[in-house]
Amino acid sequence: DSGVTQTPKHLITATGQRVTLRCSPRSGDLSVYWYQQSLDQGLQFLIQYYNGEERAKGNILERFSAQQFPDLHSELNLSSLELGDSALYFCASSVGGLTYLYNEQFFGPGTRLTVL
Amino acid sequence: AQTVTQSQPEMSVQEAETVTLSCTYDTSESDYYLFWYKQPPSRQMILVIRQEAYKQQNATENRFSVNFQKAAKSFSLKISDSQLGDAAMYFCAYRSRLSGGGADGLTFGKGTHLIIQP
Repeated sequence: DSGVTQTPKHLITATGQRVTLRCSPRSGDLSVYWYQQSLDQGLQFLIQYYNGEERAKGNILERFSAQQFPDLHSELNLSSLELGDSALYFCASSVGGLTYLYNEQFFGPGTRLTVL
Repeated sequence: AQTVTQSQPEMSVQEAETVTLSCTYDTSESDYYLFWYKQPPSRQMILVIRQEAYKQQNATENRFSVNFQKAAKSFSLKISDSQLGDAAMYFCAYRSRLSGGGADGLTFGKGTHLIIQP
Protein backbone atom coordinates (compact mmCIF):
# COMPACT_ATOMS: atom_id res chain seq x y z
CA ASP A 1 0.00 0.00 0.00
CA SER A 2 1.59 3.24 -1.22
CA GLY A 3 -0.58 5.50 0.94
CA VAL A 4 -2.12 7.16 -2.12
CA THR A 5 -5.83 6.52 -2.51
CA GLN A 6 -7.93 6.84 -5.62
CA THR A 7 -11.67 6.64 -6.07
CA PRO A 8 -13.51 5.11 -7.71
CA LYS A 9 -11.63 1.92 -8.63
CA HIS A 10 -13.75 1.36 -11.70
CA LEU A 11 -15.94 3.69 -13.72
CA ILE A 12 -18.10 2.82 -16.70
CA THR A 13 -19.76 5.61 -18.63
CA ALA A 14 -20.95 6.56 -22.09
CA THR A 15 -19.46 8.71 -24.78
CA GLY A 16 -20.12 12.40 -24.33
CA GLN A 17 -20.37 12.16 -20.57
CA ARG A 18 -18.27 13.84 -17.89
CA VAL A 19 -16.58 12.11 -14.95
CA THR A 20 -14.46 13.11 -11.98
CA LEU A 21 -11.64 11.01 -10.60
CA ARG A 22 -10.41 11.67 -7.10
CA CYS A 23 -7.00 11.28 -5.50
CA SER A 24 -5.82 11.66 -1.93
CA PRO A 25 -2.03 11.93 -1.64
CA ARG A 26 0.13 10.44 1.08
CA SER A 27 0.17 12.36 4.30
CA GLY A 28 2.69 15.19 4.00
CA ASP A 29 3.00 15.07 0.22
CA LEU A 30 2.40 18.38 -1.53
CA SER A 31 2.78 17.30 -5.16
CA VAL A 32 0.15 15.36 -7.05
CA TYR A 33 0.62 13.94 -10.53
CA TRP A 34 -1.89 12.42 -12.93
CA TYR A 35 -0.91 9.77 -15.48
CA GLN A 36 -2.92 7.96 -18.14
CA GLN A 37 -2.15 4.38 -19.17
CA SER A 38 -3.82 3.22 -22.37
CA LEU A 39 -3.07 0.54 -24.93
CA ASP A 40 -2.50 3.12 -27.66
CA GLN A 41 -0.51 5.79 -25.82
CA GLY A 42 1.16 3.77 -23.09
CA LEU A 43 1.87 5.54 -19.81
CA GLN A 44 1.88 9.28 -20.16
CA PHE A 45 2.12 12.20 -17.79
CA LEU A 46 -0.90 14.46 -17.83
CA ILE A 47 -0.47 17.18 -15.21
CA GLN A 48 1.20 18.05 -11.91
CA TYR A 49 0.03 20.19 -9.02
CA TYR A 50 2.11 21.42 -6.14
CA ASN A 51 0.46 22.81 -3.03
CA GLY A 52 -2.66 23.84 -4.90
CA GLU A 53 -1.02 25.33 -7.97
CA GLU A 54 -0.46 23.84 -11.39
CA ARG A 55 3.22 23.13 -11.87
CA ALA A 56 3.53 21.24 -15.13
CA LYS A 57 1.42 20.07 -18.01
CA GLY A 58 2.10 17.02 -20.07
CA ASN A 59 -0.05 15.49 -22.79
CA ILE A 60 -3.34 16.55 -21.28
CA LEU A 61 -6.25 17.12 -23.62
CA GLU A 62 -8.24 20.36 -23.47
CA ARG A 63 -11.29 18.29 -22.52
CA PHE A 64 -9.48 17.26 -19.35
CA SER A 65 -8.83 19.48 -16.36
CA ALA A 66 -7.57 19.03 -12.85
CA GLN A 67 -7.31 20.88 -9.59
CA GLN A 68 -5.77 20.45 -6.18
CA PHE A 69 -7.76 21.57 -3.18
CA PRO A 70 -6.57 23.20 0.08
CA ASP A 71 -6.62 19.80 1.81
CA LEU A 72 -4.26 18.66 -1.00
CA HIS A 73 -6.56 16.09 -2.54
CA SER A 74 -6.87 16.36 -6.29
CA GLU A 75 -9.56 15.76 -8.86
CA LEU A 76 -9.19 15.01 -12.55
CA ASN A 77 -12.20 16.01 -14.63
CA LEU A 78 -12.74 14.34 -17.97
CA SER A 79 -15.47 15.73 -20.22
CA SER A 80 -17.00 14.98 -23.62
CA LEU A 81 -15.67 11.48 -23.22
CA GLU A 82 -14.65 9.46 -26.25
CA LEU A 83 -14.01 5.75 -26.66
CA GLY A 84 -10.30 6.47 -26.79
CA ASP A 85 -10.35 7.92 -23.28
CA SER A 86 -10.81 4.42 -21.88
CA ALA A 87 -7.70 3.88 -19.80
CA LEU A 88 -6.23 3.37 -16.38
CA TYR A 89 -5.70 6.72 -14.68
CA PHE A 90 -3.02 6.86 -12.03
CA CYS A 91 -2.46 9.47 -9.41
CA ALA A 92 0.93 9.75 -7.78
CA SER A 93 2.20 11.95 -4.99
CA SER A 94 5.54 13.14 -3.69
CA VAL A 95 6.84 15.58 -1.15
CA GLY A 96 7.63 17.82 -4.13
CA GLY A 97 9.48 21.09 -4.11
CA LEU A 98 12.86 21.52 -5.72
CA THR A 99 13.56 19.18 -8.61
CA TYR A 100 17.23 18.80 -7.82
CA LEU A 101 16.19 17.05 -4.65
CA TYR A 102 15.03 13.51 -5.22
CA ASN A 103 11.46 12.92 -4.13
CA GLU A 104 10.02 9.54 -4.96
CA GLN A 105 6.64 9.48 -6.62
CA PHE A 106 4.27 7.03 -4.96
CA PHE A 107 1.54 5.71 -7.19
CA GLY A 108 -2.04 5.01 -6.26
CA PRO A 109 -3.87 1.86 -7.42
CA GLY A 110 -5.48 3.67 -10.36
CA THR A 111 -9.01 4.22 -11.62
CA ARG A 112 -10.09 2.07 -14.54
CA LEU A 113 -12.28 4.14 -16.86
CA THR A 114 -14.33 2.42 -19.52
CA VAL A 115 -16.16 4.56 -22.06
CA LEU A 116 -18.89 2.70 -23.98
CA ALA B 1 11.16 16.86 -25.30
CA GLN B 2 12.60 13.69 -23.89
CA THR B 3 11.78 10.27 -25.26
CA VAL B 4 12.29 6.82 -23.78
CA THR B 5 12.47 3.72 -25.94
CA GLN B 6 12.15 0.11 -24.87
CA SER B 7 12.78 -2.06 -27.90
CA GLN B 8 11.82 -5.39 -26.35
CA PRO B 9 8.03 -5.76 -26.07
CA GLU B 10 8.44 -9.13 -24.37
CA MET B 11 11.24 -11.12 -22.76
CA SER B 12 11.28 -14.61 -21.31
CA VAL B 13 13.72 -16.12 -18.84
CA GLN B 14 14.04 -19.34 -16.89
CA GLU B 15 13.60 -19.14 -13.16
CA ALA B 16 16.93 -18.54 -11.36
CA GLU B 17 18.56 -17.24 -14.56
CA THR B 18 19.63 -13.69 -15.35
CA VAL B 19 17.82 -11.38 -17.75
CA THR B 20 18.61 -7.89 -19.05
CA LEU B 21 15.98 -5.41 -20.16
CA SER B 22 17.03 -2.62 -22.50
CA CYS B 23 16.18 1.06 -22.47
CA THR B 24 17.47 4.00 -24.45
CA TYR B 25 16.51 7.61 -24.08
CA ASP B 26 16.96 10.87 -25.86
CA THR B 27 17.52 14.16 -24.08
CA SER B 28 19.47 17.36 -24.44
CA GLU B 29 19.74 17.71 -20.68
CA SER B 30 22.81 16.76 -18.72
CA ASP B 31 21.24 16.24 -15.33
CA TYR B 32 18.35 13.87 -14.83
CA TYR B 33 17.06 10.75 -13.11
CA LEU B 34 16.34 7.39 -14.67
CA PHE B 35 14.06 4.79 -13.19
CA TRP B 36 12.80 1.27 -13.64
CA TYR B 37 9.25 0.62 -12.52
CA LYS B 38 7.55 -2.74 -12.21
CA GLN B 39 3.85 -3.23 -12.88
CA PRO B 40 2.59 -6.69 -11.85
CA PRO B 41 -0.85 -7.99 -12.85
CA SER B 42 -2.33 -6.02 -9.94
CA ARG B 43 -1.46 -2.88 -12.00
CA GLN B 44 0.26 -1.22 -9.04
CA MET B 45 3.31 0.80 -10.11
CA ILE B 46 6.33 -0.15 -8.02
CA LEU B 47 9.69 1.60 -8.13
CA VAL B 48 12.46 -0.93 -8.65
CA ILE B 49 15.58 1.19 -8.93
CA ARG B 50 16.71 4.69 -9.76
CA GLN B 51 19.89 6.22 -11.15
CA GLU B 52 21.08 9.81 -10.91
CA ALA B 53 22.79 10.89 -14.14
CA TYR B 54 25.53 12.73 -12.26
CA LYS B 55 26.60 9.52 -10.54
CA GLN B 56 28.96 7.29 -12.49
CA GLN B 57 28.40 4.30 -10.26
CA ASN B 58 25.65 1.98 -11.39
CA ALA B 59 22.77 1.61 -8.95
CA THR B 60 22.08 -1.75 -7.32
CA GLU B 61 19.13 -2.97 -5.27
CA ASN B 62 19.52 -6.58 -4.17
CA ARG B 63 18.99 -8.74 -7.30
CA PHE B 64 18.38 -5.68 -9.50
CA SER B 65 21.18 -3.65 -11.03
CA VAL B 66 21.51 -1.22 -13.88
CA ASN B 67 24.07 -0.57 -16.58
CA PHE B 68 24.02 3.18 -17.13
CA GLN B 69 25.90 4.40 -20.19
CA LYS B 70 25.41 8.18 -20.25
CA ALA B 71 27.22 8.87 -23.50
CA ALA B 72 25.26 6.16 -25.29
CA LYS B 73 22.04 7.22 -23.50
CA SER B 74 21.44 3.65 -22.49
CA PHE B 75 19.98 2.37 -19.23
CA SER B 76 19.49 -1.39 -18.96
CA LEU B 77 18.11 -3.37 -16.04
CA LYS B 78 19.65 -6.68 -15.02
CA ILE B 79 17.64 -9.06 -12.89
CA SER B 80 19.70 -11.83 -11.34
CA ASP B 81 18.34 -15.10 -9.97
CA SER B 82 14.94 -14.45 -11.56
CA GLN B 83 11.96 -15.41 -9.44
CA LEU B 84 8.35 -16.12 -10.37
CA GLY B 85 7.36 -12.93 -8.55
CA ASP B 86 9.44 -10.89 -10.98
CA ALA B 87 6.93 -11.56 -13.74
CA ALA B 88 5.48 -8.17 -14.67
CA MET B 89 5.62 -5.26 -17.08
CA TYR B 90 8.77 -3.23 -16.61
CA PHE B 91 8.86 0.43 -17.53
CA CYS B 92 11.89 2.62 -17.98
CA ALA B 93 11.29 6.25 -17.03
CA TYR B 94 13.05 9.60 -17.22
CA ARG B 95 12.78 12.71 -15.10
CA SER B 96 14.53 16.04 -15.37
CA ARG B 97 16.54 17.07 -12.35
CA LEU B 98 16.85 20.76 -12.95
CA SER B 99 13.66 21.66 -14.80
CA GLY B 100 12.36 25.13 -14.20
CA GLY B 101 9.50 25.64 -11.81
CA GLY B 102 9.90 22.33 -10.07
CA ALA B 103 8.14 20.32 -12.76
CA ASP B 104 9.04 16.68 -12.48
CA GLY B 105 6.56 14.50 -14.34
CA LEU B 106 7.91 11.16 -15.52
CA THR B 107 8.38 10.18 -19.16
CA PHE B 108 7.86 6.45 -19.64
CA GLY B 109 8.85 3.93 -22.27
CA LYS B 110 6.28 1.53 -23.73
CA GLY B 111 7.30 -1.26 -21.38
CA THR B 112 8.70 -4.79 -21.58
CA HIS B 113 6.59 -7.75 -20.54
CA LEU B 114 8.80 -10.12 -18.57
CA ILE B 115 7.79 -13.78 -18.43
CA ILE B 116 9.43 -16.12 -15.94
CA GLN B 117 9.47 -19.78 -17.00
CA PRO B 118 9.38 -22.19 -14.04
